[in-house]
Amino acid sequence: QKEVEQDPGPLSVPEGAIVSLNCTYSNSAFQYFMWYRQYSRKGPELLMYTYSSGNKEDGRFTAQVDKSSKYISLFIRDSQPSDSATYLCAMTSNDYKLSFGAGTTVTVRA
Amino acid sequence: DVKVTQSSRYLVKRTGEKVFLECVQDMDHENMFWYRQDPGLGLRLIYFSYDVKMKEKGDIPEGYSVSREKKERFSLILESASTNQTSMYLCASSTFQAAGPEQFFGPGTRLTVL
Repeated sequence: QKEVEQDPGPLSVPEGAIVSLNCTYSNSAFQYFMWYRQYSRKGPELLMYTYSSGNKEDGRFTAQVDKSSKYISLFIRDSQPSDSATYLCAMTSNDYKLSFGAGTTVTVRA
Repeated sequence: DVKVTQSSRYLVKRTGEKVFLECVQDMDHENMFWYRQDPGLGLRLIYFSYDVKMKEKGDIPEGYSVSREKKERFSLILESASTNQTSMYLCASSTFQAAGPEQFFGPGTRLTVL
């Protein structure tokens, strides 16, 4: 069993829809939870970062962490074609090594 | 603007060749990482380095070695390339400071081994 599970999709939604992405994990020591966005032929870039449980909002993006269920989510409101990318969850305990999900490919149709 | 650069975007090599992938970061970061990215498998850590001349194996080190002679440069070496090493290779760097564990990635090198 992988340490971090993420449905690879692909996910296709119409412009303006809410995109919902999630990951589950098995290591209860994870404290830092991140979402990276990766455009085609580019390296991943950090989108959002949450420490421990709770919600974090940044514009159209909301990240949620439920440590009791070992489940994290990313919501994209009012999705735009420019949001079309692969979204990777990543997490770590208290060191510099990250454990990544497989990534979910999202296409927002105009 | 922070920057991680990789020496090649695309590389085609023959089976058995020795392959060098170079990565340079300009952020004075202590940590540097090499990953490979394959469809459905996500990013898998090959090696990382937390200081000059220091290295540790990641999850899939077999068939690879690394070199870090200067803080800003981290090289990945495929001693004898094989077709199952065809992949996207990503370099990243991070710092120990309290800004969080964010890793900054380069654009990637797509390696094809024929």
